[in-house]
Amino acid sequence: EPEVTQTPSHQVTQMGQEVILRCVPISNHLYFYWYRQILGQKVEFLVSFYNNEISEKSEIFDDQFSVERPDGSNFTLKIRSTKLEDSAMYFCASRANYGYTFGSGTRLTVV
Amino acid sequence: AQSVTQLDSQVPVFEEAPVELRCNYSSSVSVYLFWYVQYPNQGLQLLLKYLSGSTLVKGINGFEAEFNKSQTSFHLRKPSVHISDTAEYFCAVSLSGGYQKVTFGTGTKLQVIP
Repeated sequence: EPEVTQTPSHQVTQMGQEVILRCVPISNHLYFYWYRQILGQKVEFLVSFYNNEISEKSEIFDDQFSVERPDGSNFTLKIRSTKLEDSAMYFCASRANYGYTFGSGTRLTVV
Repeated sequence: AQSVTQLDSQVPVFEEAPVELRCNYSSSVSVYLFWYVQYPNQGLQLLLKYLSGSTLVKGINGFEAEFNKSQTSFHLRKPSVHISDTAEYFCAVSLSGGYQKVTFGTGTKLQVIP
């Protein structure tokens, strides 16, 4: 069964550093998403991406965040200057018509 | 905007007993409904989904859910749980069509007691 692949599985970064989380969505999917889950909390929507532009973003997705699909296969989330509160599990997802497929996540720890 | 309520934050149940995890949704338009399972330190795995058609949906690992439009519910059931079902279960809703995002509930931790 096709998978959404996320790398790395765990990343530790210092506060204030830039971090890029990488995702390879399923190849024939058209819609791409990032979600995050702070430890012990629910999964929250960050941003959706379609046709090379942001379709929707949440209030969490401020100017420190950006997304890109640089080469037609990867889908990246960049956090420009990480804060302690950015520590969370970040999930990438892609969607065809009906079904979402989530990646296994990247655990980001900001120290 | 759509929303999901999972009233039970934790559900303990003995092994081989039946279980029901409750989910209610709110939306003024048609929706898709999902149940996801998250094992400790792992990602989200789709258990089942309701898009349209039959209101009884069967998923993986022996789980099923019933869509009830009049009660705006989508409860998850399993007739006999195993230790391996210990995990957190998230109900989720999406508006139908297009790029619509998924909105998750707060999750229910299922603890299966030997």
